[in-house]
Amino acid sequence: KNQVEQSPQSLIILEGKNCTLQCNYTVSPFSNLRWYKQDTGRGPVSLTIMTFSENTKSNGRYTATLDADTKQSSLHITASQLSDSASYICVPRGGSARQLTFGSGTQLTVLP
Amino acid sequence: EAGVAQSPRYKIIEKRQSVAFWCNPISGHATLYWYQQILGQGPKLLIQFQNNGVVDDSQLPKDRFSAERLKGVDSTLKIQPAKLEDSAVYLCASSLDRTEQFFGPGTRLTVL
Repeated sequence: KNQVEQSPQSLIILEGKNCTLQCNYTVSPFSNLRWYKQDTGRGPVSLTIMTFSENTKSNGRYTATLDADTKQSSLHITASQLSDSASYICVPRGGSARQLTFGSGTQLTVLP
Repeated sequence: EAGVAQSPRYKIIEKRQSVAFWCNPISGHATLYWYQQILGQGPKLLIQFQNNGVVDDSQLPKDRFSAERLKGVDSTLKIQPAKLEDSAVYLCASSLDRTEQFFGPGTRLTVL
């Protein structure tokens, strides 16, 4: 069964600080992995997509890493802003039906 | 480009009542998805349409949930009768070619 585990479940940091969110998955065979940002009361929005051949991809202050061998991904946020407060969801695609498997997300709160 | 539209944004009903949600996808997107997102969890796929045909409804509780996309554009999701455990956010998403999914703002359902 395809599974996704994200850690930490929640995180509180001060504005301007950096943080790293973790994702472990068991999807096989693996196709790609997206990180989504979901603001409160909104639908998820894609931040990055990574295929098995990509190790690092950046989108502004967001940098995602992928280790397809250990089935781990991380999302690093640099110089956090109040607007970064949201849930960050890891979504690998794969399996026999190339399905999406959504993680439960990490709830990030950035305090002034 | 207009995003995915959903209505209503909020709905409160009593258990055993019926409720319906509406979704208008991004123009030209052939694939439409309905997800259920329980508080603190990632979205769970309920049903996927390709044009007006069902691709995957394996996780749709068919004894109480139904969905249709008669003309291959708008879609409605119905719950009849509702149970307390149906309280969740119902997200609609659409995609052009089954790659990136674009999500609507969701409908928050509370069943009392």
